[in-house]
Amino acid sequence: EIVLTQSPATLSLSPGERATLSCRASQSVSNFLAWYQQKPGQAPRLLIYDASKRATGIPARFSGSGSGTDFSLTISSLEPEDLAVYYCQQRDTAPETFGQGTKVEVK
Amino acid sequence: QVQLQESGPGLVKPSETLSLTCSVSGGSIYNYYWGWFRQPHGKELQWIGWIYFSGNTNYNPSLKSRVTISVDTSKDQYSLKLTSMTAADTAVYYCARYFDAGRRNYVDVWGNGTTVTVSS
Repeated sequence: EIVLTQSPATLSLSPGERATLSCRASQSVSNFLAWYQQKPGQAPRLLIYDASKRATGIPARFSGSGSGTDFSLTISSLEPEDLAVYYCQQRDTAPETFGQGTKVEVK
Repeated sequence: QVQLQESGPGLVKPSETLSLTCSVSGGSIYNYYWGWFRQPHGKELQWIGWIYFSGNTNYNPSLKSRVTISVDTSKDQYSLKLTSMTAADTAVYYCARYFDAGRRNYVDVWGNGTTVTVSS
């Protein structure tokens, strides 16, 4: 199965700063990659699909890029409510798999 | 808007079978793929499997021998059965809906999740 490795494990930034999260796949997943946000005690929420398309209702400060094996999620200006764990997921090859997550802390 | 609600026991004994149901409200069960995921405490999500409204299924190979997902369109529900439960199956279980993004489907709606603990 395809392994997704996310980095860093934890990102601690101040409000207004730019956050860049990375997801690397063990083999090409084309652009069939999604990003989810999971706040404490909540279900995940879809942010980005097909590597760069924002899901309905997602603020423009969230953007995704990449293809093949290297992907990134950028939060252009961090808000306090962005405190969460962010997961990438590949939908290229079954079984669909998730990364281990990046925890974003807001100072 | 569509909402999903998991139901089932919160505690299962080792070697027993877990049965969970996901009830779909506010939208149609037809023409969608419906999935099950789980998340052990503090760990990443794991895909268990999905079912199309017509009954076609696909399961994670790591769980395939123990998993059955079924759908009841008359009740707007679908279900998960996981046999031979062990402590390693302790997790929050989520049901979810996939939307058609063109070449692939992605999960856009999640249930709130239900905690399942395996213990005697």
